[in-house]
Amino acid sequence: GAVVSQHPSWVICKSGTSVKIECRSLDFQATTMFWYRQFPKQSLMLMATSNEGSKATYEQGVEKDKFLINHASLTLSTLTVTSAHPEDSSFYICSARPPFSSGGTGELFFGEGSRLTVL
Amino acid sequence: GENVEQHPSTLSVQEGDSAVIKCTYSDSASNYFPWYKQELGKRPQLIIDIRSNVGEKKDQRIAVTLNKTAKHFSLHITETQPEDSAVYFCAAGDSGGYQKVTFGTGTKLQVIP
Repeated sequence: GAVVSQHPSWVICKSGTSVKIECRSLDFQATTMFWYRQFPKQSLMLMATSNEGSKATYEQGVEKDKFLINHASLTLSTLTVTSAHPEDSSFYICSARPPFSSGGTGELFFGEGSRLTVL
Repeated sequence: GENVEQHPSTLSVQEGDSAVIKCTYSDSASNYFPWYKQELGKRPQLIIDIRSNVGEKKDQRIAVTLNKTAKHFSLHITETQPEDSAVYFCAAGDSGGYQKVTFGTGTKLQVIP
């Protein structure tokens, strides 16, 4: 199957600092990537849809200025948690799907996830 | 938007028994219904999916049924094994490249040896 890679897998930062998480599609081009937040023992909550070359589409209730998304190339999307606070501590995970033109079936492939801890 | 409900939240079965997880969705426009398995500390992985033009799909011990009229779909795992223990998520939406899917709340399945 297709490969989506996320980095870093875990990060600890001080309150007030910013943290950047990268999501890469390694063997396919993704014009769209999805960012989720997952709390312990809970579901995957979609935060935003990252669109290559244009602004991200945020879900209701997600702060655009706090969770900055940049999709500068067809294989890379980044999520920056700005001015992080302890309540931002969570597991962040991205996903993408290969296009139908490249043999994709609609299946979403997920990154490894990034565990953020804000002290 | 789409709203997906999933039941039960936890499920314990004896090895060899069957497990059934049920989901309902709200948006009649949804036409793609995948099921993902997430083992502890790992990424979710697709185990089976079904599209709205199909009522049932089977892959070895796993089957999914879809009732579009009632807007519900179910995952059936037969002859469960300890390695089936994981969290299972249903989802509903569209399979197009830029289209999102909405996930259910998850079911933690424990298969007791």
